Amino acid sequence: GQQLNQSPQSMFIQEGEDVSMNCTSSSIFNTWLWYKQDPGEGPVLLIALYKAGELTSNGRLTAQFGITRKDSFLNISASIPSDVGIYFCAANSNSGYALNFGKGTSLLVTP
Amino acid sequence: SAVISQKPSRDICQRGTSLTIQCQVDSQVTMMFWYRQQPGQSLTLIATANQGSEATYESGFVIDKFPISRPNLTFSTLTVSNMSPEDSSIYLCSVARGYEQFFGPGTRLTVL
Repeated sequence: GQQLNQSPQSMFIQEGEDVSMNCTSSSIFNTWLWYKQDPGEGPVLLIALYKAGELTSNGRLTAQFGITRKDSFLNISASIPSDVGIYFCAANSNSGYALNFGKGTSLLVTP
Repeated sequence: SAVISQKPSRDICQRGTSLTIQCQVDSQVTMMFWYRQQPGQSLTLIATANQGSEATYESGFVIDKFPISRPNLTFSTLTVSNMSPEDSSIYLCSVARGYEQFFGPGTRLTVL
């Protein structure tokens, strides 16, 4: 599958700060997904995006599907210690097909 | 969403042995997948588990090493055969609902 380019690789921030991470690809996708993985757990779906230009929020999380369908970003506002984890972007082109994943952004939040 | 369980949650195995990982879903699904996540890495697709037919393997993964069963629409197994330390990873099953995918908690495998 296609590897998605995810950045930054890691972030070390203070509680209360906003966070932004993004994913790009050379290919067009129909769906972008953002997951969070805690240590020892499987990835948990945070936000799913289906339309180019779509902006979707889930609490303090906001994600956008790029207008070119080749990129997406995830913002976390007012970070808290439980936001710590690894965030993965993922994308696919067809319903029911396997996902292409980014390499992940490791987020550390200090109180 | 979907509720997915995996067994075992972790295991430590000797090289040359085999381990079978089970994945159970709380409702019927058409598409199930098996991924590998090596330490500190992203997820890599091993294969798509097809109900009633052979699994479809990705490049670099073969049936002799990773045999998969899918006897019905709620259950699948992945076997890691003739293990070596390089097989130490987290193995995850997932299910697709439309464009979204949901993951099990993973099986953490250590091969000595």
